[in-house]
Amino acid sequence: NAGVTQTPKFQVLKTGQSMTLQCAQDMNHEYMSWYRQDPGMGLRLIHYSVGAGITDQGEVPNGYNVSRSTTEDFPLRLLSAAPSQTSVYFCASSPTTRRGYNSPLHFGNGTRLTVT
Amino acid sequence: AQTVTQSQPEMSVQEAETVTLSCTYDTSESDYYLFWYKQPPSRQMILVIRQEAYKQQNATENRFSVNFQKAAKSFSLKISDSQLGDAAMYFCAYRSPNQGGKLIFGQGTELSVKP
Repeated sequence: NAGVTQTPKFQVLKTGQSMTLQCAQDMNHEYMSWYRQDPGMGLRLIHYSVGAGITDQGEVPNGYNVSRSTTEDFPLRLLSAAPSQTSVYFCASSPTTRRGYNSPLHFGNGTRLTVT
Repeated sequence: AQTVTQSQPEMSVQEAETVTLSCTYDTSESDYYLFWYKQPPSRQMILVIRQEAYKQQNATENRFSVNFQKAAKSFSLKISDSQLGDAAMYFCAYRSPNQGGKLIFGQGTELSVKP
């Protein structure tokens, strides 16, 4: 059982470059989300989705795009990378039934992104 | 919008002693879920304990327990008989079933355990 798979694990970009962080889960979870983790700021929600075709903004959405064409995949796109986007990124998923909200998020292993 | 605040960036505890990590949150909702997650240096996120807002009884998981004060919007984590393996970042989190289930984290508390 793969769980939540994030790729790549590390990435270095130059300012202005674009890239896509990939996230896939094989648990048939409706809810998927992206967080960034910065020292002293915890994990901040970037975007989330409650199902295919449905996405919504989190706390820090600027500079990032998402789409959800399938239940399994939830890619995060950086359109024009900036040094302020240097961070560790986590993808996470869970069910969305009422009981599912009490379930732990399943996290990917994270992507360390450096923008120079 | 909901917010979660952890006012202790760092805490330290002696091995075998008890430590309490603080968490407050701001919400106008009556139905929600609260969590404590642990993040060791491996960056893996591990669920420590969870609490449903409609349950008055405080959750307990072995050495971990919470003090849930709904009116005060407070959700502290108590770790008893601290062990070296408890050293990690601890995050408090709030989840709303009314907003697509989005989950918001606090800033985190780094716990060190002294032998």
